[in-house]
Amino acid sequence: GAVVSQHPSRVICKSGTSVKIECRSLDFQATTMFWYRQFPKQSLMLMATSNEGSKATYEQGVEKDKFLINHASLTLSTLTVTSAHPEDSSFYICSADPQGVGGYTFGSGTRLTVV
Amino acid sequence: ELKVEQNPLFLSMQEGKNYTIYCNYSTTSDRLYWYRQDPGKSLESLFVLLSNGAVKQEGRLMASLDTKARLSTLHITAAVHDLSATYFCAVTMRFGAGTRLTVKP
Repeated sequence: GAVVSQHPSRVICKSGTSVKIECRSLDFQATTMFWYRQFPKQSLMLMATSNEGSKATYEQGVEKDKFLINHASLTLSTLTVTSAHPEDSSFYICSADPQGVGGYTFGSGTRLTVV
Repeated sequence: ELKVEQNPLFLSMQEGKNYTIYCNYSTTSDRLYWYRQDPGKSLESLFVLLSNGAVKQEGRLMASLDTKARLSTLHITAAVHDLSATYFCAVTMRFGAGTRLTVKP
């Protein structure tokens, strides 16, 4: 089946630094990918929709200058958390729709801890 | 604004018992999703329900959709410990709060 590969699985960074998370579609092309954030014991919140070759669409309340999304190819989307702070510590998950018909596959997630 | 409400939020079940998780949503949608999440893991897709009256079953789990009532249910039959996890319903990209299911011997 279709696989969405997400790296790294865990990252610890110092406050003020930037962290890049990669999301790759391994056996299909993804013109659109979705980025979610999940705080402990909470639900998933859609942060942004990543569009290949164009600007990402951010959900209300998500700082686009802080969470930089790049979707430069049909198989790779990246999320960069800039100037990370402890409150950015969270579980970040990407997803894509391999067949374009509304069946979503999720990456394995990235646990970000900012110290 | 689309709202997705799930209940109960916590469910402690005895093995062998049956129970139902409910998912209500506020605006018209033609598809609804159920996912499972184990602690520290990402999401596993369980069901995609595409039309009114749709019913899907996999093992001890059965999901149904009533688009007129804007309600989906996830029914658990004869629960076993392996079903312990958090279950989410989702409409479009909006997720319910999740139901944390614990199955006890």
